[in-house]
Amino acid sequence: AQSVTQLGSHVSVSEGALVLLRCNYSSSVPPYLFWYVQYPNQGLQLLLKYTTGATLVKGINGFEAEFKKSETSFHLTKPSAHMSDAAEYFCAGGSQGNLIFGKGTKLSVKP
Amino acid sequence: GAGVSQSPRYKVAKRGQDVALRCDPISGHVSLFWYQQALGQGPEFLTYFQNEAQLDKSGLPSDRFFAERPEGSVSTLKIQRTQQEDSAVYLCASKGTGGRYEQYFGPGTRLTVT
Repeated sequence: AQSVTQLGSHVSVSEGALVLLRCNYSSSVPPYLFWYVQYPNQGLQLLLKYTTGATLVKGINGFEAEFKKSETSFHLTKPSAHMSDAAEYFCAGGSQGNLIFGKGTKLSVKP
Repeated sequence: GAGVSQSPRYKVAKRGQDVALRCDPISGHVSLFWYQQALGQGPEFLTYFQNEAQLDKSGLPSDRFFAERPEGSVSTLKIQRTQQEDSAVYLCASKGTGGRYEQYFGPGTRLTVT
């Protein structure tokens, strides 16, 4: 079955610390991968995507992710957390059709 | 240009009532998707249109759920005889063409069934 797994439903970091949000996908998921961010009472905003080419992709707001086929992973990182990064983050996989989402990771940033 | 819009943003329905949720995709986007997001969960696929054709409705949870996109633009998701388990946020997304795989999401409609 196709699945996307996000390890850790809640991650808390201090402002200025490294952010690492983990995502693994099953091998049956099409290798087009996305990270979305959702702020309270808002829709999902695309942070970054991997489709083909370079496996390290950069997105908005200083986030980046690396596609590792051998590990079936697409972890999201940011070197230095800001208070404004507090939100829920979703990893998703898909191609032409629908996206398959993980359950989400809520990121809290402590001052 | 304008993003995906959805209306209403919030809807309260009594159990057994019918509801209609509207989605206006980004102009020119041929693909349109509906997702259901339960509290504390990731979005789950409901149905997918390419232009006016409904290509996949495998995610619709029951025959009380119906979606249409008659002119290949605006879409409506209708839920008949609402039940409490239908309470969720309903997200609409659209996607362009030309090898672009990312979907752009609207703000969602929060449906509460009492």
